[in-house]
Amino acid sequence: GENVEQHPSTLSVQEGDSAVIKCTYSDSASNYFPWYKQELGKRPQLIIDIRSNVGEKKDQRIAVTLNKTAKHFSLHITETQPEDSAVYFCAATPYSSASKIIFGSGTRLSIRP
Amino acid sequence: GAGVSQSPSNKVTEKGKDVELRCDPISGHTALYWYRQSLGQGLEFLIYFQGNSAPDKSGLPSDRFSAERTGGSVSTLTIQRTQQEDSAVYLCASSKSQAGDLRGEQFFGPGTRLTVL
Repeated sequence: GENVEQHPSTLSVQEGDSAVIKCTYSDSASNYFPWYKQELGKRPQLIIDIRSNVGEKKDQRIAVTLNKTAKHFSLHITETQPEDSAVYFCAATPYSSASKIIFGSGTRLSIRP
Repeated sequence: GAGVSQSPSNKVTEKGKDVELRCDPISGHTALYWYRQSLGQGLEFLIYFQGNSAPDKSGLPSDRFSAERTGGSVSTLTIQRTQQEDSAVYLCASSKSQAGDLRGEQFFGPGTRLTVL
């Protein structure tokens, strides 16, 4: 069945350094890839998304890249700050479909001061 | 404006009892989603509503789980004969889908923490 694999499960980086989280997906029909951030004890919130008609999207310190051929996409956070500490989830789904949304298992990102 | 709300925020029940969880989506959002999140785990997709219909119910873990949505607004997730493995946080989300059922940003509710003793 459809699957989204996310790596690493935990990531610790020095404040100011970059963090990269990678996801691969199995359903070739997927063309919408959102990323959600969940701070401790809070609800997930969308931070960035990308559709398959583009290969990269940036929003300030956050960027997402997509390689449809290889079926993988990545989240890049530059100049990390303490408030970036959270669990990050990737997801893959067909944009115009009633099918289920598959989330990755999450990456717990810790920023060391 | 008001976000997605869920009730109850916490529910403790005994094994074998039925529970009903409620989700009030953001007004005007036609798409509604239910997820389950076990402690320290990821988001497990359960079911998706577009309006009152649920095109894909394959995410429901077993036939003890059912969900409905009436009036294109409030949704209830019912778990019958609860088991200890049902203990988790149940999250609801809604989105303003565009034409047809195109996906947009999902806004999550605070969740219902279910504990089955």
